[in-house]
Amino acid sequence: DADVTQTPRNRITKTGKRIMLECSQTKGHDRMYWYRQDPGLGLRLIYYSFDVKDINKGEISDGYSVSRQAQAKFSLSLESAIPNQTALYFCATSDRTTDTQYFGPGTRLTVL
Amino acid sequence: QQPVQSPQAVILREGEDAVINCSSSKALYSVHWYRQKHGEAPVFLMILLKGGEQKGHEKISASFNEKKQQSSLYLTASQLSYSGTYFCGAPLVYYGQNFVFGPGTRLSVLP
Repeated sequence: DADVTQTPRNRITKTGKRIMLECSQTKGHDRMYWYRQDPGLGLRLIYYSFDVKDINKGEISDGYSVSRQAQAKFSLSLESAIPNQTALYFCATSDRTTDTQYFGPGTRLTVL
Repeated sequence: QQPVQSPQAVILREGEDAVINCSSSKALYSVHWYRQKHGEAPVFLMILLKGGEQKGHEKISASFNEKKQQSSLYLTASQLSYSGTYFCGAPLVYYGQNFVFGPGTRLSVLP
């Protein structure tokens, strides 16, 4: 079984809709991250959480919100989706010793 | 703040060697390298810690010069399976930030 899972894997939605992407992990890591990947722009951090009570904005948090429901679960919400939020979204976890990032399989989101 | 990588892209024939460079404007305590194949998630390759040690993974090795804040990834006798985008990354928690990735280097290995 995968250590980091994301649901859904693909989602097509319309402008203005609220969308939630979910991430679960079985690695036992405290740290979790949401990244966005656009062609040619690499991985950009949206939000990160070092434990259940600690949530921080990343480089591109505008238009997004997150919820850390438990150590193993970290959800990303788009309150009112817009077309330029069309991208590939990755959840990741890391251990606190080395910060090695372990990625989920990604969610491809298309906003029409 | 984002590490700089060079080159942006490289095309090789099977068996050729390549070097990918990563540099930072901030002092680094470690450098990570990841590979992402098309349509897949990035996968951790190796971590370089302070001390200039080299690490290896298959025929891929890397070095880290913390004084110059630079790291290089060496791909020797490249194989078709090496194709993908390579990212360097570094934790910047000490600067009150987070983990940052370079923009990536796209490597294409041709038969």
